[in-house]
Amino acid sequence: NAGVTQTPKFRVLKTGQSMTLLCAQDMNHEYMYWYRQDPGMGLRLIHYSVGEGTTAKGEVPDGYNVSRLKKQNFLLGLESAAPSQTSVYFCASRLRTSDVYNEQFFGPGTRLTVL
Amino acid sequence: AQKITQTQPGMFVQEKEAVTLDCTYDTSDQSYGLFWYKQPSSGEMIFLIYQGSYDEQNATEGRYSLNFQKARKSANLVISASQLGDSAMYFCAMRGVGTGNQFYFGTGTSLTVIP
Repeated sequence: NAGVTQTPKFRVLKTGQSMTLLCAQDMNHEYMYWYRQDPGMGLRLIHYSVGEGTTAKGEVPDGYNVSRLKKQNFLLGLESAAPSQTSVYFCASRLRTSDVYNEQFFGPGTRLTVL
Repeated sequence: AQKITQTQPGMFVQEKEAVTLDCTYDTSDQSYGLFWYKQPSSGEMIFLIYQGSYDEQNATEGRYSLNFQKARKSANLVISASQLGDSAMYFCAMRGVGTGNQFYFGTGTSLTVIP
């Protein structure tokens, strides 16, 4: 049981390049999230998904796109990377329940630098 | 709107002493959950403790306890008998019924345990 995994762990891009971050979970969780973490700003939600084929915008969605074609995978895309997207990206997942108690399980993070 | 505030950017504590990390929140939801996560220098996010808004007793998990004061909208984390391995960033987070599937995070507190 690997939990939540993220690929790649590190990446350096040039301005204008594109890339896709992959998040995979093997816990059969319905909900998946993408966050970015910047110094002094905590974690901010980019996009999330409540199930296969559905996605929704979070707090800071501009410049990113996502897809959830399979329940276990959640992809985060940057079509034209900008230096402002230099950050650490975290993926998380959780079960769908009616209870507000429902922790998220986080992946190890991807450190992205855009030059 | 939901908001989490952590006003202590950095804290120091002597080994074996107790320390309190502050967290205040703002929500109009009646039902919500409060979470604390630890992020060591290695970068992963580790779930520590949870408190539900309707829980009458403060949550405890080993050396971690949550001092929940609902009327003051505060959910402070207390770490007893600090250890060197407790040195890390600590994030407070909240999810409310009204926020649907979104979690909101504070900006974090950096804790350093001094030998």
